[in-house]
Amino acid sequence: RKEVEQDPGPFNVPEGATVAFNCTYSNSASQSFFWYRQDCRKEPKLLMSVYSSGNEDGRFTAQLNRASQYISLLIRDSKLSDSATYLCVSLPRDAGNMLTFGGGTRLMVKP
Amino acid sequence: DTAVSQTPKYLVTQMGNDKSIKCEQNLGHDTMYWYKQDSKKFLKIMFSYNNKELIINETVPNRFSPKSPDKAHLNLHINSLELGDSAVYFCASSTQGHNQPQHFGDGTRLSIL
Repeated sequence: RKEVEQDPGPFNVPEGATVAFNCTYSNSASQSFFWYRQDCRKEPKLLMSVYSSGNEDGRFTAQLNRASQYISLLIRDSKLSDSATYLCVSLPRDAGNMLTFGGGTRLMVKP
Repeated sequence: DTAVSQTPKYLVTQMGNDKSIKCEQNLGHDTMYWYKQDSKKFLKIMFSYNNKELIINETVPNRFSPKSPDKAHLNLHINSLELGDSAVYFCASSTQGHNQPQHFGDGTRLSIL
């Protein structure tokens, strides 16, 4: 079983739609979580950290459920420019900052 | 003024060769990393290195070795290249400390013939 699992998609949504991705992690010692975004043939870029209390950054909301070991990302009012692969990432305790990436969920926003 | 830069961007070579990929960061970070992203797009950590400690992902073959001439550079040397080494290799950097965001280079696409 992979340490961080995501539905690979693709999620095809119209502009303006709200879309949500979930991700599950198996290592209960994971302490920190992030969402990264990766455009086709580009490097991953940090989208947002995920806090236990949930956090919001503009149209993006991240939630963490430690009891069920899942993380979510909600995107409201989708833009064409949101089309990308979204990578769920965990950082286990004592891992020396070595991130564990999920396989990514591909989002395609259509006009 | 690229923050994390890797060279070369593309590397095509034959099985059995030895090659190096260079990485430099001008962010003043003290920790650098190498990741491998395979054809299925899974991104896996290979190494984490700062001036005190090298952490190696135990799944990485010992044909791969990181070399750091100074804090701003972490090069990746690969001996006896194999077909399965074909992938995109990303360098990243961050400040030391838990939960620090990592900044990635734009990748080196390695193809083994």
